[in-house]
Amino acid sequence: GENVEQHPSTLSVQEGDSAVIKCTYSDSASNYFPWYKQELGKRPQLIIDIRSNVGEKKDQRIAVTLNKTAKHFSLHITETQPEDSAVYFCAASRREYGNKLVFGAGTILRVKS
Amino acid sequence: DAGITQSPRHKVTETGTPVTLRCHQTENHRYMYWYRQDPGHGLRLIHYSYGVKDTDKGEVSDGYSVSRSKTEDFLLTLESATSSQTSVYFCANRDRERNTIYFGEGSWLTVV
Repeated sequence: GENVEQHPSTLSVQEGDSAVIKCTYSDSASNYFPWYKQELGKRPQLIIDIRSNVGEKKDQRIAVTLNKTAKHFSLHITETQPEDSAVYFCAASRREYGNKLVFGAGTILRVKS
Repeated sequence: DAGITQSPRHKVTETGTPVTLRCHQTENHRYMYWYRQDPGHGLRLIHYSYGVKDTDKGEVSDGYSVSRSKTEDFLLTLESATSSQTSVYFCANRDRERNTIYFGEGSWLTVV
């Protein structure tokens, strides 16, 4: 089955700097890659996703890139702000098989002001 | 928004007792999921449903059962709770139009 590895497990950046979180997946048939943000005690919230027919997607300060050949995808946050501090999870799935998400272990992002 | 309500939100129970967590959606989504979240493991799929009375196992299904008698309700049952099932449980549904998965607010379960 699918296995997703996520790095780093913790990341501290200065406010205004960029943050990059990387994930690798094992199943070459996976075709959907969402990113979730989770604040303490809250539900995971979808922040951006990408399908396998796209190499990059941007939404304001957030971008995701996908390299299907290498089987890895990354989340990029620019101009980080204190409210970006949270746990971020990547996931992978096959849309045609019930979209059962397999998650990475998460990255704790701390933005220092 | 997932339109998901989970109950109970918090529960403390004793080892060996049965526990049922309820997930109710206001949407009419066909796919629903139960995940558990533990430190260092992210979220792991327990069971999922692809329609009324249609369910299947996820990666950590041992000790859990589910039922879906109505589109809007997806129940997760721990037949005999163990301390290893202390966790946060999240229900989710799939918006087919957007092909995205949304989570409920979670149920905190402690087995003592």
